[in-house]
Formats: sequence, structure tokens, C-alpha cells
Amino acid sequence: GENVEQHPSTLSVQEGDSAVIKCTYSDSASNYFPWYKQELGKRPQLIIDIRSNVGEKKDQRIAVTLNKTAKHFSLHITETQPEDSAVYFCAATLYGNNRLAFGKGNQVVVIP
Amino acid sequence: DTGVSQDPRHKITKRGQNVTFRCDPISEHNRLYWYRQTLGQGPEFLTYFQNEAQLEKSRLLSDRFSAERPKGSFSTLEIQRTEQGDSAMYLCASSSQNYEQYFGPGTRLTVT
Repeated sequence: GENVEQHPSTLSVQEGDSAVIKCTYSDSASNYFPWYKQELGKRPQLIIDIRSNVGEKKDQRIAVTLNKTAKHFSLHITETQPEDSAVYFCAATLYGNNRLAFGKGNQVVVIP
Repeated sequence: DTGVSQDPRHKITKRGQNVTFRCDPISEHNRLYWYRQTLGQGPEFLTYFQNEAQLEKSRLLSDRFSAERPKGSFSTLEIQRTEQGDSAMYLCASSSQNYEQYFGPGTRLTVT
């Protein structure tokens, strides 16, 4: 969606290294920011999310950070493994309601 | 399986025909969403229900598209007079009050 942008579009990392994907949004009313992982031919899978009253959230090897002033949030994957290879989508709620606007996705390739 | 389910998984139709898709949400979820996803893009919001009420429709949704959720449980999405541009993956998601949206496997529509 035009309200949510992701960078870079493709990211290749060596197994064991960290991967960081950044997402920017435009709606200052956005208050919920999920990240989805989508493997080829499968449904988007919710992997982590963060709300506007929190700056950082961590779940094992995955973390998300939020900077509301700058209107960006990032996904951090540490100790990457080949099974982390997928397309990752960020999203943000729009206009203060439940509608999610998605970015175009980042292809992450973990090289064994 | 207590996740979101969709039927059919694949649909091939000729241009001009009508098609209908079904979504069964997670049983305790009162919110249901329809998205469309094309290759290389993130899911695009179409419409959203809270219980049986359709609360929001994307302005991108033409008059040929209609959705219902008559009893606040399953939902149907109908496309009338299909066009080749309607070819896409149609995804359904559901959530409770906490924003977390869980996706179904999708219905892949091919219009020939």
C-alpha cells in the first residue's frame, strides 16, 4: 500500500548473521504494527507485532523496534537460519481502525 | 484444525462468469477481513466485518464485488462478471478485539 513502504526489497545474508528490515508509514494515527512471514505458496503468518505504546518487543530470535517520531519500525532476525528464507511483510493500521495496510514485502535469502 | 479456512483453494473461471468464495474464521473471532494479493505485492484490503456488520469497504472495490457475513460466522465474497484483472489470491483473515489478524490459505482465482 502507498502508506507503508519497506526497504530493502531483497536481502541476502549468510547463515548465522543478522537481518534487519525497515518499514516506514505515513499515518500518524497508526497504532498497531505487525510483521508477517510468507513462504512460497503459503499464507502470510503473523510472527511478531508491536503496539504504539511500546518501543521494542522481542521473541526468541526475532525483535521489532518502533520509532513513532520518525514513523518507522524494523524487524530484526538474529542468528539467521535457512528456514528464515521467505518474504516478510510489514503492516500498519490505518485511520485508527482495524484496516491493515501492507508493504510490498522483502525477500530474505539466507545463504547456508 | 481450528485456524481460518477458505473454500475453494483454487478456482478457474471464464471471463464474464460469477464466482463465490467462502471463509470460515477462527470460531471465537468476531472480526473478519478480505484481502487480495497479486504476485510480488502485499495483501490489499478489500472489506471488513465486525460480527455481521460490514464496517468498511475499500474504495478500490468495484460494484462487481460483494461480501456478506449473514450470521456473524462464515463469510462469502462474490465477484460478478469476472475480468482477467480479477485474477489474484483472495485471502481471508480473522481477529478478536486485539488486532492480531490470522490468515487463511487463500483462494487462487484464475480468470481466462
